[in-house]
Amino acid sequence: QVLLVQSVSEVKKPGASVRVSCKASGYIFSSYAINWVRQAPGQGLEWMGWINPNTGNPTYAQGFTGRFGFSLDTSVSTAYLQISSLKSEDTAVYYCARGRSPMVRGVIDLHFDHWGQGTLVPVSP
Amino acid sequence: EVELTQSPGTLSLSPGERATLSCRASQSVSSSSLAWYQQKPGQAPRLLIYATSSGATGIPDRFTGSGSGTDFTLTISRLEPEDSAVYYCQQYGSSVTFGGGTKVEIK
Repeated sequence: QVLLVQSVSEVKKPGASVRVSCKASGYIFSSYAINWVRQAPGQGLEWMGWINPNTGNPTYAQGFTGRFGFSLDTSVSTAYLQISSLKSEDTAVYYCARGRSPMVRGVIDLHFDHWGQGTLVPVSP
Repeated sequence: EVELTQSPGTLSLSPGERATLSCRASQSVSSSSLAWYQQKPGQAPRLLIYATSSGATGIPDRFTGSGSGTDFTLTISRLEPEDSAVYYCQQYGSSVTFGGGTKVEIK
């Protein structure tokens, strides 16, 4: 079955960096874009953007440029989210998510039927 | 950016009752680009409905979606205790945005 398994939670200090991983299995990794979604404590869902699993080209949503980076290691079917210069307001659960349908000629599905379990990144002095 | 406003904020109903959740968009959303998710505490969201009214795999048929333009509705026809959760609408026709959520409590 399709699984997205994320790295475990890790506490970070302001100014540090963090890398969250999302290991995919049960499907052809190159066929589906990986999206990232943020959820601050007690808050709703924010889409951060997606990465093309064929080209590695990332697309960032408004508000997620600069300190945020998406990358891939296709050899191990894993996507990564890196956040640099962490701030307290980055404290959140970060989810990876896969679209319901495969990419077709670069057009992706932006509703998500498979999600990772989430990675909590607390940013605290 | 398309803003989605969900109402009510909280819905408290008894098992067997019908729940009607609203999602209003700041501009027209294509019917092929509106989804609903269920999220329980400590869990990832779960896709319920996509393209306004299509049920995702494995979703009970008591969950139905409807609407068009700027007004969309998720209906849970016969509430069960396990339906206690927060429900989010999402539009994916113009970038991606989520509504603020409706919490459904089962009395």
